[in-house]
Amino acid sequence: SAVISQKPSRDICQRGTSLTIQCQVDSQVTMMFWYRQQPGQSLTLIATANQGSEATYESGFVIDKFPISRPNLTFSTLTVSNMSPEDSSIYLCSVNTGGASHEQYFGPGTRLTVT
Amino acid sequence: GENVEQHPSTLSVQEGDSAVIKCTYSDSASNYFPWYKQELGKRPQLIIDIRSNVGEKKDQRIAVTLNKTAKHFSLHITETQPEDSAVYFCAARGGGKLIFGQGTELSVKP
Repeated sequence: SAVISQKPSRDICQRGTSLTIQCQVDSQVTMMFWYRQQPGQSLTLIATANQGSEATYESGFVIDKFPISRPNLTFSTLTVSNMSPEDSSIYLCSVNTGGASHEQYFGPGTRLTVT
Repeated sequence: GENVEQHPSTLSVQEGDSAVIKCTYSDSASNYFPWYKQELGKRPQLIIDIRSNVGEKKDQRIAVTLNKTAKHFSLHITETQPEDSAVYFCAARGGGKLIFGQGTELSVKP
């Protein structure tokens, strides 16, 4: 399995500001994803972070609100822009190591509170 | 796109009893079905998975079954223990991305 770290682990932000979350993996992975988990809810896919090209967003999520970068096979960032209290959630990075296993693992998450 | 339904949303069992959680999926092209356990404040942990070319898989007290024709799969936990208490999520992968069910909060009473 891959070792995944995220920074920051938590943050409290004011509405209207932006926060960039970093995801680092200890090995090269084929696919990286960003999920959101609202309190007491399931995991909702925000987008697939594509290495060297624009991310692929799911319905209801747009690049202007959640810009994503993936400069290489071990690192990605998610920015939550122009935040409102409704963006308060846990944001999780997830990776698929590829190959025959196709297992998918999650980072520890970033707990965001917007006031 | 894929849609995954999970039942029940909550499940309470006595220690030592079995627990069963069921999921259905909509995309017949989905070919990978993992189960995750999430304890409070922690990340989801992969506990078992099954691929579409297999009907059943077992790992100690945990087993998963898959019925491709009916498009449903289930998690079975036998001899439940208090440490099995957590939220369990099923997921299905089609088109390269995992889509999750709504989750089941399992409570094992000693």
